[in-house]
Amino acid sequence: DAGITQSPRHKVTETGTPVTLRCHQTENHRYMYWYRQDPGHGLRLIHYSYGVKDTDKGEVSDGYSVSRSKTEDFLLTLESATSSQTSVYFCAISPSSSGSSYEQYFGPGTRLTVT
Amino acid sequence: DQQVKQNSPSLSVQEGRISILNCDYTNSMFDYFLWYKKYPAEGPTFLISISSIKDKNEDGRFTVFLNKSAKHLSLHIVPSQPGDSAVYFCAGGFTSGTYKYIFGTGTRLKVLA
Repeated sequence: DAGITQSPRHKVTETGTPVTLRCHQTENHRYMYWYRQDPGHGLRLIHYSYGVKDTDKGEVSDGYSVSRSKTEDFLLTLESATSSQTSVYFCAISPSSSGSSYEQYFGPGTRLTVT
Repeated sequence: DQQVKQNSPSLSVQEGRISILNCDYTNSMFDYFLWYKKYPAEGPTFLISISSIKDKNEDGRFTVFLNKSAKHLSLHIVPSQPGDSAVYFCAGGFTSGTYKYIFGTGTRLKVLA
């Protein structure tokens, strides 16, 4: 296991409510990512972080914001949840640029349902 | 624009035979590729990677082949086992900057006993 936890693992919320998903790592890796997985779309990058307070948008960032105040935690916030944000959300981490390790390691996922 | 494509949504193979999963990409700047396996209700698990400077990488029963001129990579599993039944994702990305990857839509492999 790569030392990644996600919380909550399951959540049902109503349209228009704010939701925050948490990703926690124990590996001290610099890079962290949030993806969503939907049928027919595979894994799509929402936001990523390359250090504390350093974040940037991915390919499907509209409606999402992120924060990283500590190396170990990367938070994904849906400011006002919509039904189109019903999905499975995965956090991933990646080792630093040293060496030849470029793969990403994924957490167990959070299943979010917006009703 | 789907930069990474897995055109076969599903594949069935007999136990003991070879499984070949294919992946095509359009971005010639990708310099690193990854394969993941995903079981239901779990996160994707890293399987094997390949750098764009290589054309083959092996790890046990898993071999990845890269054809840069065709912008095509494939994952070979030999011999296939029932436990290999899962969804397989390929991804292409960059080994500089932010280490971002673009994932394909996945191929569901079913290994029949």
